[in-house]
Amino acid sequence: EVQLVESGGGLVQPGGSLRLSCAASGFTFSSYSMNWVRQAPGKGLEWVSYISSSSSTIYYADSVKGRFTISRDNAKNSLYLQMNSLRAEDTAVYYCARTNTAIATYYFDYWGQGTLVTVSS
Amino acid sequence: DIQMTQSPSSLSASVGDRVTITCRASQSISSYLNWYQQKPGKAPKLLIYAASSLQSGVPSRFSGSGSGTDFTLTISSLQPEDFATYYCQQSYSTPSITFGQGTRLEIK
Repeated sequence: EVQLVESGGGLVQPGGSLRLSCAASGFTFSSYSMNWVRQAPGKGLEWVSYISSSSSTIYYADSVKGRFTISRDNAKNSLYLQMNSLRAEDTAVYYCARTNTAIATYYFDYWGQGTLVTVSS
Repeated sequence: DIQMTQSPSSLSASVGDRVTITCRASQSISSYLNWYQQKPGKAPKLLIYAASSLQSGVPSRFSGSGSGTDFTLTISSLQPEDFATYYCQQSYSTPSITFGQGTRLEIK
């Protein structure tokens, strides 16, 4: 069974830093690209960042570019998101999501349960 | 970025009803359109990918159609467990993936 379990969320002051982790199991982690997607309280979904299976390709949403860093450790079956210079508008539940592709399209077929990040003084 | 607009934003329906949710893209996205269901406090769940392909394990009462700019998600006969929020998502302009604003489906 595919499982994605996020951790590392919490309360942080504006300007602070936090590192999120996502532990993967039930599939060959090193074969899949991964993503972070967030959801502000009561709002919709926002894609945050993408990392390819080998870490050779990385993308960020403009809203986090230069402040967030995605990484992975295939030996540990883990995905990470280092978040620096946090702002109030970064407050959200952060989900890790596995990428899958079929018929040339790209979609998120498995999601973790999410971890809440609250940026507030 | 490609903008995705869903309609309606909210919808009330009864068990057994046929329901259709629409998603419109600001430019053509071919069939690079996916649908997700999210229940309160839970992660999104993939329902449909590539506009019309049913994800494994998803009941056949869910179906998707469309191409270009206009897409629909149809639930043929609403079940109690289907009351949730539904999101469309385009993957045409990767990496700038965008979601619709969501459609909240409520019990009438």
